[in-house]
Amino acid sequence: DAKTTQPTSMDCAEGRAANLPCNHSTISGNEYVYWYRQIHSQGPQYIIHGLKNNETNEMASLIITEDRKSSTLILPHATLRDTAVYYCIVRPFAGGTSYGKLTFGQGTILTVHP
Amino acid sequence: AAGVIQSPRHLIKEKRETATLKCYPIPRHDTVYWYQQGPGQDPQFLISFYEKMQSDKGSIPDRFSAQQFSDYHSELNMSSLELGDSALYFCASRRQGSYEQYFGPGTRLTVT
Repeated sequence: DAKTTQPTSMDCAEGRAANLPCNHSTISGNEYVYWYRQIHSQGPQYIIHGLKNNETNEMASLIITEDRKSSTLILPHATLRDTAVYYCIVRPFAGGTSYGKLTFGQGTILTVHP
Repeated sequence: AAGVIQSPRHLIKEKRETATLKCYPIPRHDTVYWYQQGPGQDPQFLISFYEKMQSDKGSIPDRFSAQQFSDYHSELNMSSLELGDSALYFCASRRQGSYEQYFGPGTRLTVT
């Protein structure tokens, strides 16, 4: 799986948009970008994923650059409950039995403050 | 909606003892993953099962074994426990063809 690089920590004011960057310059053509988050000691939670187009769901938006070497996760209106470690993970689409595992690297500690 | 169930939630064992962690996946999910998260560390993949067969293996010690049963629940068996095995153990499940894994609340194992 391609290596990802994320800032160690970020701060965001409540109600503002949180923009979390991820660099994945060695991503290959069949690899997707996934985002998960882990709120203190809870099980990681899926947020969103994408291949090359921008994606949006009820939790967040994912912007992937045209060359696919980086992406940004956007939480449009951050709340205190969004304080968590955010992981950007690059891996092939989980279509086969061997591709489902998640390789967690150092994520970004996002702190949302009042 | 039903979630992944893990039991027990907390477990305290002494060195050299054995432990069994259980995972009950979301109904109709056929794939189970186990992860270990040490203090201050990121989750690390241990092993996975698809349709009761081992599908992938990560950095799982030889002292650990796991299996998936006919009802799709999975058990992680840990023997000769060491202090370094103290960690959160997460189970996740997924339905083949879907994108996301759903994680359970974890089992906190403390080895004294």
